[in-house]
Amino acid sequence: EDKVVQSPLSLVVHEGDTVTLNCSYEVTNFRSLLWYKQEKKAPTFLFMLTSSGIEKKSGRLSSILDKKELFSILNITATQTGDSAVYLCAVSHAGGTSYGKLTFGQGTILTVHP
Amino acid sequence: DGGITQSPKYLFRKEGQNVTLSCEQNLNHDAMYWYRQDPGQGLRLIYYSQIVNDFQKGDIAEGYSVSREKKESFPLTVTSAQKNPTAFYLCASSSDRGYEQYFGPGTRLTVT
Repeated sequence: EDKVVQSPLSLVVHEGDTVTLNCSYEVTNFRSLLWYKQEKKAPTFLFMLTSSGIEKKSGRLSSILDKKELFSILNITATQTGDSAVYLCAVSHAGGTSYGKLTFGQGTILTVHP
Repeated sequence: DGGITQSPKYLFRKEGQNVTLSCEQNLNHDAMYWYRQDPGQGLRLIYYSQIVNDFQKGDIAEGYSVSREKKESFPLTVTSAQKNPTAFYLCASSSDRGYEQYFGPGTRLTVT
């Protein structure tokens, strides 16, 4: 059975802290790994990772994928209260009728206090 | 403005009634998806469609039905056979299979 596991499930930090969110996966026919941020309603896309060891960066957020050890991390430096959200990790499948299907992890709830 | 719209935002129904949730996109995307989100469980895939007039069951399709008669529209019907329908429902689309999915604002369904 395909599985995506995120840790920690929740995290409380203060503004300025750096956080690392983890995502491990066991899926058949891996294509890519995606990170989303969900504040109130619709998840918004952050990163898509397909190659191992290549860091993707966007401002204070960065992410990297390790396809040998089957995990990814999402780093947020100098956190702000606006970073408070649920961060979702998802794996996209390759091959056959499952191509493009996403399997999500449970999410990590990040709370940043002023 | 391009995007995905879902309606209504909130929906209340009595047990035993079927209900249809709307999802429309004007992004010209081929693929569309329906997810259910419960607290502490992330998103689970209900149904997806990669092309008009074709769709596949996701991981939790029992008690749900869909249609894809137009590229822009992918309505989801929650039937009375769905044992625990109260949840937050999200629709998504992508330009091609395997690319990032863009999400609508969601519909929160409460069945009592």
